[in-house]
Amino acid sequence: AQSVTQLGSHVSVSEGALVLLRCNYSSSVPPYLFWYVQYPNQGLQLLLKYTSAATLVKGINGFEAEFKKSETSFHLTKPSAHMSDAAEYFCAVRPAGSNYKLTFGKGTLLTVNP
Amino acid sequence: SQTIHQWPATLVQPVGSPLSLECTVEGTSNPNLYWYRQAAGRGLQLLFYSVGIGQISSEVPQNLSASRPQDRQFILSSKKLLLSDSGFYLCAWKPGGGADTQYFGPGTRLTVL
Repeated sequence: AQSVTQLGSHVSVSEGALVLLRCNYSSSVPPYLFWYVQYPNQGLQLLLKYTSAATLVKGINGFEAEFKKSETSFHLTKPSAHMSDAAEYFCAVRPAGSNYKLTFGKGTLLTVNP
Repeated sequence: SQTIHQWPATLVQPVGSPLSLECTVEGTSNPNLYWYRQAAGRGLQLLFYSVGIGQISSEVPQNLSASRPQDRQFILSSKKLLLSDSGFYLCAWKPGGGADTQYFGPGTRLTVL
């Protein structure tokens, strides 16, 4: 069965600093991987997704993620944090060939300090 | 363009009362529909999904049920709420077929007292 592990339930960075949110996956077949962002009391918004094309995926709001098969990782990065990036971030996996279900990590809350 | 609606936005209910949450999608046909629950510190838990009218798959046995009476309508229900049913309920949709991305609604905050 597929799963994702997000390392660090809470990450705090200073405005302008690098953002790195970690996600490791477990899947018996090639996975599709997703990062979503959730602002307080709102639904989830797709940031980016990996679907077996380019391993470096660029998303919205300046975020990007790199698929590393050897490390079973899909970490999310942004070179310079903005105050508006403060939110909760979720990594999710869906095995290729499984049409229906995503499995989500437990989320990482990002705090950006002025 | 497609939009997804959920209502109510917030709900406070006593233990033992019934529940009905509604989700509708506009601008698409035959979507896959999903209900998730989000509890503090536990991420998103998939409760139900549906690939068509009247077709419901349950992921977690509990006192909740789901129905899909129309193509773009998905309802989450309970006959008697428990304290543990409190949480943030999210509906999502995905185009049918091979599409991979799920799109989420704004959510319903349910508090059971």
